[in-house]
Amino acid sequence: DGGITQSPKYLFRKEGQNVTLSCEQNLNHDAMYWYRQDPGQGLRLIYYSQIVNDFQKGDIAEGYSVSREKKESFPLTVTSAQKNPTAFYLCASSRARDRSYEQYFGPGTRLTVT
Amino acid sequence: AQSVAQPEDQVKVAEGNPLTVKCTYSVSGNPYLFWYVQYPNRGLQFLLKYITGDNLVKGSYGFEAEFNKSQTSFHLKKPSALVSDSALYFCAVRDEGSARQLTFGSGTQLTVLP
Repeated sequence: DGGITQSPKYLFRKEGQNVTLSCEQNLNHDAMYWYRQDPGQGLRLIYYSQIVNDFQKGDIAEGYSVSREKKESFPLTVTSAQKNPTAFYLCASSRARDRSYEQYFGPGTRLTVT
Repeated sequence: AQSVAQPEDQVKVAEGNPLTVKCTYSVSGNPYLFWYVQYPNRGLQFLLKYITGDNLVKGSYGFEAEFNKSQTSFHLKKPSALVSDSALYFCAVRDEGSARQLTFGSGTQLTVLP
C-alpha cells in the first residue's frame, strides 16, 4: 500500500449524515484520486486533483465533495445526497505530469450506511 | 473514448500450471496499459505496465503481460501459478493523447487450486 494512508479502515454511519474519509500521502505526488469500488463493477473515479487547490469531477461525482488544501492530503466527504453510499473507497496518487506513470493506492475505507 | 474489458469474471487454475487473465482495450490513440492486483479488503498493488517498446512486459512476482496491438489485447500471464496468486486482478488503460484519466476493467477473480 506504499506511502498512502486512509482512515478509518471501517466506517459506519446513519443515513442522512455526512461523513469524511481521510487520505494522506508522503510520496510527494502531485496528483491524487478517489475511487469507489462495488462488487463486479471495478473502480469508478469520483474526483481527482492534479495540483493543490484544484480538483476535477470524475465519472460519479454526484453526492461527493473534496478539498485539496495541502499536497499531502485529499479528503473525501460523502454527503447525504449520495443515494447509495455504502461501498469500498480507495484513494490513490501519482505523478501528475507523467501520463504513463502508475497510480499507488491506499488500503481503502469500507463505508457502511444504514 | 477509452474502455477496457475483462471477459472472464473468474479464472481457476491448478497450482503449478500456467495462468492467463485476459484483457482487451479500446482507445483512439496509443494506449498506456496497466495490471493491478487486489487482495481481500486491501488496496490495489501495481504489477506491471506497457508504455512503448517490447511487447512482452515483465513485472512483479513473476507476472508478465503481452501487448498485442492488432488484437487490442494485454493478457496477464504467469508460467507457474501459486496458491498465493489467488486474488482479484484489474486491467486498466489510458489513452496517450486524451485528457481522460485511467479506466479500469471490472476485474477477474483468480483462484489457484492446491
